[in-house]
Amino acid sequence: DVKVTQSSRYLVKRTGEKVFLECVQDMDHENMFWYRQDPGLGLRLIYFSYDVKMKEKGDIPEGYSVSREKKERFSLILESASTNQTSMYLCASSAGQVYGYTFGSGTRLTVV
Amino acid sequence: QKEVEQNSGPLSVPEGAIASLNCTYSDRGSQSFFWYRQYSGKSPELIMSIYSNGDKEDGRFTAQLNKASQYVSLLIRDSQPSDSATYLCAVSGYSSASKIIFGSGTRLSIRP
Repeated sequence: DVKVTQSSRYLVKRTGEKVFLECVQDMDHENMFWYRQDPGLGLRLIYFSYDVKMKEKGDIPEGYSVSREKKERFSLILESASTNQTSMYLCASSAGQVYGYTFGSGTRLTVV
Repeated sequence: QKEVEQNSGPLSVPEGAIASLNCTYSDRGSQSFFWYRQYSGKSPELIMSIYSNGDKEDGRFTAQLNKASQYVSLLIRDSQPSDSATYLCAVSGYSSASKIIFGSGTRLSIRP
C-alpha cells in the first residue's frame, strides 16, 4: 500500500513564526498535493506539484509556499504564521488523476 | 454552481438498512469518480472508484454512475455503526493534469 507520511500529527506555533510541514510518500508518485480542511469549508487546495522542482498554485495559495526538491518529499511552508492558518493540513499523493489520491494522516496546526 | 455538490446531511439511517449517498457534478468531461470516507479527526480514505456508467460493487458498497445525468451515488448495504462518517464525492477530468475536485461531504450517522 502507498504510504504518505506527514511529519507531525499536532503542532502549536506562535504568530509570525515560519512553519514547515513535511510530507513524504514511498510509491514514486509524480503528483503531490497540499490541502487544508476547515469545518464547513471542505477540502481546499493550497499547492500541488506534478514533478520535482515543479509547483502550481491551488485555490488558496496566499500566505503559503512549497518546496519539492526530491520526488518523494513535498513541503508546505507558512512564511509567517497567522491565527487564520489554524487548520487541519492534509498532504496527498497520486500516480495520476485516474487513480485517486492517497492522503497522509494530517497535521492539526494551531497558531496562537 | 459548485463543481461537485453533495447534501451535507446529517443523513440518519437505522442499523441494517441501506444508506444512499448522492452527488452531482458540473463538468461533462469528467472521467473518474471517487468516494472517500472520513472519520472524525482522521484523513479521507479512498473506498470506491468508478469510471464507466452503471454499477460497481465492492462488498457492502455499490457505486453508481450516470454520466448523462451527471450523477454519482454510493449505496451502503447492511449499514453498521462503523459506517458513521463523512463521505466525500470526488471527480476528475479528462486531462492528466486535471486535479480531483472534492465535494464538501455528506455526514452519515447509523443509529442502532
